[in-house]
Amino acid sequence: DQQVKQNSPSLSVQEGRISILNCDYTNSMFDYFLWYKKYPAEGPTFLISISSIKDKNEDGRFTVFLNKSAKHLSLHIVPSQPGDSAVYFCAARETTDSWGKLQFGAGTQVVVTP
Amino acid sequence: EAGVAQSPRYKIIEKRQSVAFWCNPISGHATLYWYQQILGQGPKLLIQFQNNGVVDDSQLPKDRFSAERLKGVDSTLKIQPAKLEDSAVYLCASSLVGLGTGANVLTFGAGSRLTVL
Repeated sequence: DQQVKQNSPSLSVQEGRISILNCDYTNSMFDYFLWYKKYPAEGPTFLISISSIKDKNEDGRFTVFLNKSAKHLSLHIVPSQPGDSAVYFCAARETTDSWGKLQFGAGTQVVVTP
Repeated sequence: EAGVAQSPRYKIIEKRQSVAFWCNPISGHATLYWYQQILGQGPKLLIQFQNNGVVDDSQLPKDRFSAERLKGVDSTLKIQPAKLEDSAVYLCASSLVGLGTGANVLTFGAGSRLTVL
């Protein structure tokens, strides 16, 4: 049962424009959400996170928005750069899981074109 | 600090053969995870260790997969016998804490890509 869903497998955006990646979840017990970025032949690397008590978190060019009522979060990248071309995974942690394991979405491949 | 080390990076075997993957986490990280990532899917947790004890192996196919973390540091993941559907990247990750509040940021290794023919 996939509790974290990324319904857009790919996204193409022009350099300098905004990239918006979406993630939906079904489990109301999730309390932390994270975004990971993955380059080919490398492991995923942590990008940004947000607690369920917040609706926005910003770090440089990256902003994550959380809409708890809609069970939806999004990652905005502004402005997009060629180095942002990667697969982005949305992940979530369940509040009742004291051991902190993460559940991941299927990922969105972002391609930033010149 | 040194990252999470994994080996081998690539392995090709025939079905019914066995394979083992090794992981060395970041020094001081008590929690170690093995994830399986099948092409086109997100990583799926196979097993989680806290020091050298297993805290979650609910999604580990125990008839063919086994894992251990002796002395609470290095870990090995074994598949015996392998099936075609085991073709995937096996990611090892570690984190400083597995308990409590705050975002649990996992640091991943580069992965071991397994192809079963």
